[in-house]
Amino acid sequence: DGGITQSPKYLFRKEGQNVTLSCEQNLNHDAMYWYRQDPGQGLRLIYYSQIVNDFQKGDIAEGYSVSREKKESFPLTVTSAQKNPTAFYLCASSIAGPSGNTIYFGEGSWLTVV
Amino acid sequence: DAKTTQPTSMDCAEGRAANLPCNHSTISGNEYVYWYRQIHSQGPQYIIHGLKNNETNEMASLIITEDRKSSTLILPHATLRDTAVYYCIVRGLYNFNKFYFGSGTKLNVKP
Repeated sequence: DGGITQSPKYLFRKEGQNVTLSCEQNLNHDAMYWYRQDPGQGLRLIYYSQIVNDFQKGDIAEGYSVSREKKESFPLTVTSAQKNPTAFYLCASSIAGPSGNTIYFGEGSWLTVV
Repeated sequence: DAKTTQPTSMDCAEGRAANLPCNHSTISGNEYVYWYRQIHSQGPQYIIHGLKNNETNEMASLIITEDRKSSTLILPHATLRDTAVYYCIVRGLYNFNKFYFGSGTKLNVKP
């Protein structure tokens, strides 16, 4: 099946630890994104990437890092510098360009700091 | 990019049409209106988008006013499975970082 796969679905982290969330897509999309969602709130953009080996900060990039070594993969690392990391994290992808930039989402990953 | 304003919540009877409004008074000429919905603890699902003309697909219809300052998403025959948060988003063609979701409208479909 074509789509966006996020793993793990649920993750627990101890304070002070870094954790990496995986995002893989087989849609052949150029652009990929990471969003954060807090309970009852909308989505906020963390990072986005329009092409391999390039990425840009979104509105809330502090305490997060990403890499884009392959077109299909865009992992997000939540570092110990992120003071309130407990949230629902969503990965998304889209075609880059004017012909169609509808964004499609994975099923999300829940991160809880214990 | 334009921001949007939506009601916090709405109720709809099962089988009736659900009409979800969205205001985007600062929209510019090259910005599209997108609608997504999110069922609790799942990723948002794309519904429909449009620029100027009304659009219809198998899920919904999108009605955009002539001045493009507001739009309405119509679910013609709402079912209990349509209970979700609906997001109206305005986004330009090339602004990949300008995809604001806001808080959306919680649609409650009741039996």
